[in-house]
Amino acid sequence: NAGVTQTPKFQVLKTGQSMTLQCAQDMNHEYMSWYRQDPGMGLRLIHYSVGAGITDQGEVPNGYNVSRSTTEDFPLRLLSAAPSQTSVYFCASRQGRRNEKLFFGSGTQLSVL
Amino acid sequence: DAKTTQPTSMDCAEGRAANLPCNHSTISGNEYVYWYRQIHSQGPQYIIHGLKNNETNEMASLIITEDRKSSTLILPHATLRDTAVYYCIVRGGPFGNEKLTFGTGTRLTIIP
Repeated sequence: NAGVTQTPKFQVLKTGQSMTLQCAQDMNHEYMSWYRQDPGMGLRLIHYSVGAGITDQGEVPNGYNVSRSTTEDFPLRLLSAAPSQTSVYFCASRQGRRNEKLFFGSGTQLSVL
Repeated sequence: DAKTTQPTSMDCAEGRAANLPCNHSTISGNEYVYWYRQIHSQGPQYIIHGLKNNETNEMASLIITEDRKSSTLILPHATLRDTAVYYCIVRGGPFGNEKLTFGTGTRLTIIP
């Protein structure tokens, strides 16, 4: 059981480039979410999804898009990368309403030059 | 979601109990207290959660005061592997929304 898998682990982009961070879970979880973590700060919610076809904004959604076409996958798209998006990104998932444990992936370290 | 306040850092001797406090004075009646930890640069790991009764699992115990305005996470016999940042989070119950917000947490260092 792989849990929550994020790819890539590391990525360097130039300002203005676009890319997609991948997140997949094999636990049939309804809820999935993306966080970013900057040095010395806690995790901040970017976007989340309560099921296939349903997404919503978190605390810091600007500059990011998400979609949820399947239960398993929840990709995060950077439309036009900016140095302010340099961060570590974590994807997380959990089961339906009665199970509150969030399972996190191992993270993607992104640098935008 | 209610805001939480935690000490920035704490030390604990290996083998002793580590007691991590959290204040959540604005917690509302249907909000749960959750604890997660993050070891080095790994993804956060769930530890425990509770509503108003004390809870215990294989990792830790959670003590919530009667007025629910504060709680304490207890690691009964701390090991070096417990060195991590510990996050206390308060949010809506099982039917709450997904806007789970992590603060800056408490950096716990276990000393040999």
